[in-house]
Amino acid sequence: EVQLVESGGGLVQPGGSLRLSCAASGFTFSSYAMNWVRQAPGKGLEWVSSIGGRGNSPYYADSVKGRFTISRDNSNNTLYLQMNSLRADDTAVYFCAKARSAEFFDYWGQGALVTVSS
Amino acid sequence: EIVMTQSPATLSVSPGERATLSCRASQSVSSNLAWYQQKPGQAPRLLIYGASTRATGIPARFSGSGSGTEFTLTISSLQSEDFAVYFCQQYNNWPPFTFGGGTKVEIK
Repeated sequence: EVQLVESGGGLVQPGGSLRLSCAASGFTFSSYAMNWVRQAPGKGLEWVSSIGGRGNSPYYADSVKGRFTISRDNSNNTLYLQMNSLRADDTAVYFCAKARSAEFFDYWGQGALVTVSS
Repeated sequence: EIVMTQSPATLSVSPGERATLSCRASQSVSSNLAWYQQKPGQAPRLLIYGASTRATGIPARFSGSGSGTEFTLTISSLQSEDFAVYFCQQYNNWPPFTFGGGTKVEIK
C-alpha cells in the first residue's frame, strides 16, 4: 500500500524558514517523480514544485522560485521542501504527491499545514 | 501558462441524479487532463486521467470525456459519498501544472 506522510509544518514568522518532509513507502520511490502541491485555506490547488526520480529536473512555480528548494533522499525514501523567505501568502496545507507518469498525481499525502504569521 | 476554468462553481444535485461538471482550458491540452475529488479535511484523490481513463478503484459511475479545450466529468447517479469538490488539472504543457478552481457538488 502506497503511503505518503508529511511532517515539518507549523507556525513561522514572515521571512522565516521551514523544511517539510514526506516519508514514502509501498512503492519504488526512486522510480517516480514527486511533487509538492499546496492549498491555501478555503482555496483551490496550486502546484508548487516537481523533482525527477533521480533527483534531477527540479521545477518550481513562479510564486516560489528562488525561495523554495525541492530535494529527495532515495536511500531513505524521503522528499523534502526547503522553504525560505516565507510570506503570509505561503500559508497553506502542503501535500506531497506521487506522479504516476511524471505528469499527474496518483497518490497524495494527508498534508502539512504551514502558517506564516507574526 | 494554461488557465483552467471550471463551471459551475457549485452544483446542487439530489442523490441518484446525474451530475455534469465542466472544465475548459485556455489552449489545447490534447487529452492530457486529470480529474480529482477532494472531501473536507482530506487529500485529493485521482479519479480520471487521460481525460477519460478511470484510475484504479474508481467506480464506473464516474466518466470523463473531451479533448482539446473542453472537458466533462459525469457522475451518472450521485451517491452520498460523491458530495465533494472536484478539480481538473492539465499536464500537457508544464511547468507549471495547472488546476481549475474547483466545482463543489452539494446535496440539493
